[in-house]
Amino acid sequence: AQKVTQAQTEISVVEKEDVTLDCVYETRDTTYYLFWYKQPPSGELVFLIRRNSFDEQNEISGRYSWNFQKSTSSFNFTITASQVVDSAVYFCALSEKEEVTGGGNKLTFGTGTQLKVEL
Amino acid sequence: GAGVSQSPSNKVTEKGKDVELRCDPISGHTALYWYRQSLGQGLEFLIYFQGNSAPDKSGLPSDRFSAERTGGSVSTLTIQRTQQEDSAVYLCASSLSGAIQFFGPGTRLTVL
Repeated sequence: AQKVTQAQTEISVVEKEDVTLDCVYETRDTTYYLFWYKQPPSGELVFLIRRNSFDEQNEISGRYSWNFQKSTSSFNFTITASQVVDSAVYFCALSEKEEVTGGGNKLTFGTGTQLKVEL
Repeated sequence: GAGVSQSPSNKVTEKGKDVELRCDPISGHTALYWYRQSLGQGLEFLIYFQGNSAPDKSGLPSDRFSAERTGGSVSTLTIQRTQQEDSAVYLCASSLSGAIQFFGPGTRLTVL
């Protein structure tokens, strides 16, 4: 069975600090996707990134960066120079690739990390 | 529309009543998913549609829960004889087959 663990329940930082959100996953499959979603106070889940299990290249997008390491089954997310608008709950998620399941890509979510960025 | 829409945004009902929750996916998205977000269980998968078929219903918590999708578009999630433990935010997501899921704003269900 798939499992995603986000051990950090809540993180508080001061604006402009860097912050890393941890995600550890478990799956028996060799082919899978990993995701990060953001849920601001408004409640709507916002897609941030998807990574293929075969692609361990780290990625940077503006102030966001992701570190995917299959050896440790981790997919960590770093926000550089955090801003108050980054305050939200961040979810890491996992799904099997469609051609493996023959069906959909249902997401298995972690429990989320509440990030609070203060002035 | 531009994104996934859900209605109603909030629903308060009495224990034992039936409720229907609606999801309008992004136009052209063939895949549709229902999830539930509650304090005790976090975000959990309920059911997946590909077109009008539901090949994966494994997340439905009991036979009081059912869902349908018509015309490859709108989906309705029905909860019969609601219980207090059904109180949660019900989220709908849609995607092109095998692609990224985009979520709607959710329906907050409160069972009194």
